[in-house]
This record gives sequence, structure tokens and C-alpha cells, in this order.
Amino acid sequence: NAGVTQTPKFQVLKTGQSMTLQCAQDMNHEYMSWYRQDPGMGLRLIHYSVGAGITDQGEVPNGYNVSRSTTEDFPLRLLSAAPSQTSVYFCASYETGGNTIYFGEGSWLTVV
Amino acid sequence: AQSVTQLGSHVSVSEGALVLLRCNYSSSVPPYLFWYVQYPNQGLQLLLKYTTGATLVKGINGFEAEFKKSETSFHLTKPSAHMSDAAEYFCAVSSLTNAGKSTFGDGTTLTVKP
Repeated sequence: NAGVTQTPKFQVLKTGQSMTLQCAQDMNHEYMSWYRQDPGMGLRLIHYSVGAGITDQGEVPNGYNVSRSTTEDFPLRLLSAAPSQTSVYFCASYETGGNTIYFGEGSWLTVV
Repeated sequence: AQSVTQLGSHVSVSEGALVLLRCNYSSSVPPYLFWYVQYPNQGLQLLLKYTTGATLVKGINGFEAEFKKSETSFHLTKPSAHMSDAAEYFCAVSSLTNAGKSTFGDGTTLTVKP
């Protein structure tokens, strides 16, 4: 089982550039989320989705866009990268009922 | 609303000693509680979870946690630490009605001394 797959694993961007972090899951989970992890701050929710066509903001949504056109895919778009967006990004999907989270392996993003 | 507080950002124990990582939560509805472990440069792995039922939950690698509603706590324990337990540990809370919005604590780094 592939589970939750994130790409790319590492990326360096220049300030102002845009990019998309890809996330795909093959478990037919309804719920998917994007988190960012910064030292000493744990994981903070950026955006989440409760099904295809439905997305909502989390704790730190500014500077990011998401869409959910299919159950499998939940891409995260950085519109104009800033150094403050240097972080590790984790995509996650959830079983129905939400009592188990499955994480991707993370995407390390550096904005210079 | 929900929140998690992990007491102690760094915990150091000797190999063979008891491991105790503390987690307190706040939730306006019955909580789902989780502990995750993260090794350097890797993703998060589920150690154990509490949703309903038995309040003492056993997980992988010999870890267990007890849900105490009266204390709003979900502390993680292991009777005897192993060198391979050195990692960062995260406590998280969600609920049936809040499934897409899990809230994580800031993490506790566990160091195991030989």
C-alpha cells in the first residue's frame, strides 16, 4: 500500500516564486489535511478537506491555496513564497470517523 | 474548541528507566487522543490512540497511555526506556465532530542516556 504520497520531498524556492506540493492517498479517505511543522511549535493545520469539492481553512491558511477535485488528491499551492514559509509540510488523510491519521513522509521547503 | 499542552519540551532518562511524557488537553466535546512519534527527518508514526472504551491504551514499542477525564490528561509511559526510543513525541486531540482539525502539542524530545 502506498498510503499517503507527497512530492517533492525537498524544494528550494526564491522569494516570490510559486509552487505546488502534491499529495495523493490511495485509501479512499474522505478527510485530508495539510500541516506545517516548525521547530518548537508542533504541527499547525493549514487547510483541510472533508470530501471532494469541500475545503476549509485551518489555523495558518494565509499564503496557501488548496483544492480537492478528486478524493485521492489534495494539492497545496504557495502563491508567492516568503521566507516565513520555510518549513516541513505534512499531508495527512483520515479514516471515516476521524480516529486515525495517516501522514505522508513530509516535504522540506526552503524559501531564500 | 480544543487544545493540547505537552509539559516539558525536553525529557532525558537513562536506559532502563521509566519514561513519562505528559499531555493535558482541552476539548468541548468528548475527545479522541493520540500519541505520535517522529524520528529525525521522518514523518509521524502513530503510537497509540484513545477514542472510546478502555481508558488504558496500549500501543506499539511497549508504550501505553491512560485517559483521565477528571484530570484532562493523557500521559504516555513506558516502564523501561531503550536507546531506540530517542525521538520527538507529539500528543494530539480531535473528536468525532472535528475529524478534519486535529490539534497537536508542541512536542517533547526524549533523550535516552546509556
